[in-house]
Amino acid sequence: EIVMTQSPATLSVSPGERATLSCRASQSVSSNLAWYQQKPGQAPRLLIYGASTRATGIPARFSGSGSGTEFTLTISSLQSEDFAVYYCQQYNNWPLFGQGTKVEIK
Amino acid sequence: EVQLLESGGGLVQPGGSLRLSCAASGFTFSNYAMSWVRQAPGKGLEWVSAISSSGGSTYYADSVKGRFTISRDNSKNTLYLQMNSLRAEDTAVYFCAIRGRYSSNWFSYFEYWGQGALVTVSS
Repeated sequence: EIVMTQSPATLSVSPGERATLSCRASQSVSSNLAWYQQKPGQAPRLLIYGASTRATGIPARFSGSGSGTEFTLTISSLQSEDFAVYYCQQYNNWPLFGQGTKVEIK
Repeated sequence: EVQLLESGGGLVQPGGSLRLSCAASGFTFSNYAMSWVRQAPGKGLEWVSAISSSGGSTYYADSVKGRFTISRDNSKNTLYLQMNSLRAEDTAVYFCAIRGRYSSNWFSYFEYWGQGALVTVSS
């Protein structure tokens, strides 16, 4: 059974700074990896699929990389609206989410 | 504009039943596989169930297998989740979501999500 592990659990970043979030799979998921952003009281929003393809309407400051077991979501310059919880999800087989990384204001 | 609107949530006693609905608009519903994903209060996301575009194939997480049934009515553009033998651990917001278009696997990411319906299982 695949396990998805996100790190860190909480990331404190100042506006304008770069944020790097990590997602690790316990076995290879190829490039079948997505990232979502969720704000309190809202549904998740798709950011990245195929490990590195931005979804429709997602700003270029969001980028994804990696394949196999190691993946990264980078937010190049944090805006106020980017403070939220971020989840990775593998879809190489049964959909499975990581536990999330909360990006908070430093 | 794609819209997914869940309804049918509420408070139910342990062992009880509830049926969630998800009304879809803004896209050709009958062309897309759909899923239910839930989120317990203050917790992460958990995939619950999926159904093919025709309704002929269904899939369930082990945690709900044998208790929940997913179905769809393509003539009404509506997705359903029948939940029986509910437990306290089923308490969550339930989201319906559209299968992402660009996956070579049957399972995929989730391209659009509804706003969710809260199900509370408590005596």
